[in-house]
Amino acid sequence: DAGVIQSPRHEVTEMGQEVTLRCKPISGHDYLFWYRQTMMRGLELLIYFNNNVPIDDSGMPEDRFSAKMPNASFSTLKIQPSEPRDSAVYFCASSLSGVVTEAFFGQGTRLTVV
Amino acid sequence: QKEVEQNSGPLSVPEGAIASLNCTYSDRGSQSFFWYRQYSGKSPELIMFIYSNGDKEDGRFTAQLNKASQYVSLLIRDSQPSDSATYLCAVNRDDKIIFGKGTRLHILP
Repeated sequence: DAGVIQSPRHEVTEMGQEVTLRCKPISGHDYLFWYRQTMMRGLELLIYFNNNVPIDDSGMPEDRFSAKMPNASFSTLKIQPSEPRDSAVYFCASSLSGVVTEAFFGQGTRLTVV
Repeated sequence: QKEVEQNSGPLSVPEGAIASLNCTYSDRGSQSFFWYRQYSGKSPELIMFIYSNGDKEDGRFTAQLNKASQYVSLLIRDSQPSDSATYLCAVNRDDKIIFGKGTRLHILP
């Protein structure tokens, strides 16, 4: 398996524009996580899915953020409209269910909003 | 109180010495605990996990868990310059995985 695949790797956009980040989890994994990492706040959990269903979105910072998982092999995180404070590295991770299973991370998307 | 707390560092350790990294967590229902290493510009990768009280050793790494004190630690023996990275502590409760902010470790040659 190629691991968790995220696209794009880098995104530079202007304030007010819509941004869509994409993620393909490891085949067979039933959990998918979206995290955001900044120097100030560390690695924050935004939302996670189990079998394509959102379980906890309490980490989503504002209504400008939304996430979907239309099928087991694809998820998106959308920011609309984007703001400079959204600049961060966004990671997608997937895991199997179970107490001792690890989260496998994608390479991340570095988002810069100017 | 944050769910997972770590000292941000940097922690500077001479090459060949033991590096000790610490983590506390607030949710007593947390079931398993992970240490990830993250090099600058890269994604986190798992080093070790532990779910029972006590010590777990894997090569130069030892994870320690004390559920009564809600405390997890990672010891790195014979520290190498390649161990210089940020170390993230993570906890799993009911498949929800939460991370601390990480501790930056610098191994001095």
